[in-house]
Amino acid sequence: EAQVTQNPRYLITVTGKKLTVTCSQNMNHEYMSWYRQDPGLGLRQIYYSMNVEVTDKGDVPEGYKVSRKEKRNFPLILESPSPNQTSLYFCASSLEATYEQYFGPGTRLTVT
Amino acid sequence: GENVEQHPSTLSVQEGDSAVIKCTYSDSASNYFPWYKQELGKRPQLIIDIRSNVGEKKDQRIAVTLNKTAKHFSLHITETQPEDSAVYFCAARGYTGTASKLTFGTGTRLQVTL
Repeated sequence: EAQVTQNPRYLITVTGKKLTVTCSQNMNHEYMSWYRQDPGLGLRQIYYSMNVEVTDKGDVPEGYKVSRKEKRNFPLILESPSPNQTSLYFCASSLEATYEQYFGPGTRLTVT
Repeated sequence: GENVEQHPSTLSVQEGDSAVIKCTYSDSASNYFPWYKQELGKRPQLIIDIRSNVGEKKDQRIAVTLNKTAKHFSLHITETQPEDSAVYFCAARGYTGTASKLTFGTGTRLQVTL
């Protein structure tokens, strides 16, 4: 089954404790992306990757890191989480930027 | 960078009526404009998209129009049904050199009442 998976689905952590949210797709897509969703602000792109080893900043990259060492995986790293990073995070993948994006199920992160 | 504005933020229509959601974008180089639907507690899913070489696209009860001169695009849903109730997001793909970002609007919550 073609899908995008994210783990964990729910995470409660404390300020400053490094965490990684994993994202994996099995559709051989080149374009992968991370978004955060906050009430009233819609979906905001954090980082995106057009291919292996090619990543670029989206609209809200501060406080986040990503890597794309393999085509299928695109982890999101928060090295020192802060409460303002409490949000719902979605990973997405597509054949390339102008094709349908397939979203993962979302990760709800709470930073206390 | 690209800026996408979406209106209205909430929209309530009666079943069977039409719904229109409008978006404007700022980057004249943007060439791809998708619309996503997000039902409560679920992930966004693409419902229709349009590229800059096309002015209108239809898929059953859903249509999207694009006006490149005015830099705005709209989603039209005809004969609305309760299952159309959801949050709808427009987006625009802008260019930053050779890279590309996808910028979303802030969403429209559509409620279809019986």
